[in-house]
Amino acid sequence: AQKVTQAQTEISVVEKEDVTLDCVYETRDTTYYLFWYKQPPSGELVFLIRRNSFDEQNEISGRYSWNFQKSTSSFNFTITASQVVDSAVYFCALSGSTGANSKLTFGKGITLSVRP
Amino acid sequence: KAGVTQTPRYLIKTRGQQVTLSCSPISGHRSVSWYQQTPGQGLQFLFEYFSETQRNKGNFPGRFSGRQFSNSRSEMNVSTLELGDSALYLCASSQGGGGPYNEQFFGPGTRLTVL
Repeated sequence: AQKVTQAQTEISVVEKEDVTLDCVYETRDTTYYLFWYKQPPSGELVFLIRRNSFDEQNEISGRYSWNFQKSTSSFNFTITASQVVDSAVYFCALSGSTGANSKLTFGKGITLSVRP
Repeated sequence: KAGVTQTPRYLIKTRGQQVTLSCSPISGHRSVSWYQQTPGQGLQFLFEYFSETQRNKGNFPGRFSGRQFSNSRSEMNVSTLELGDSALYLCASSQGGGGPYNEQFFGPGTRLTVL
């Protein structure tokens, strides 16, 4: 069975601080996909990034960066110089590699509050 | 391309009634998945339809059902509503071919309140 754990539930930072959101996953699949989604107060889940299990190259995109480590089954997400608009709930999710196993298993989410 | 659309956006029903929610996927996407989001249980997978066939099913009672039409639009139905069915119901579409085509794009959701 697949499982995603986001141990942090709420994080509050002051604008311009860096913040890292943790994600640990469990799966028996050798090929899988990891995702981060953002859910602002409007409710719609916004896709941020997808990572394949065979691609451990970490990435920086603007103020966002991701750290994928298969050895520790972690897929952490960092926001540099946070802004008030980053306030949202952030979900880490996992899916399998086949079409029949494409459902997303989500973590419980982390509520990020960025104060001005 | 237009995104995933869901109708209605808000619904208020009473216990025992039934409800039908609709989802129109992104053009060209053949897979539609449904998720229930509640404060207590978080985001939980309901089911997935691909080419008009249910391909995946989550752990929900038979009161929850769905279908997909030939144009990939999908509906989900909840019969004999219970208070615990109050939730945000999210629909997601993807190309559905597996692998990188699993990337799912979500609609704005339907907020169902059961009184």
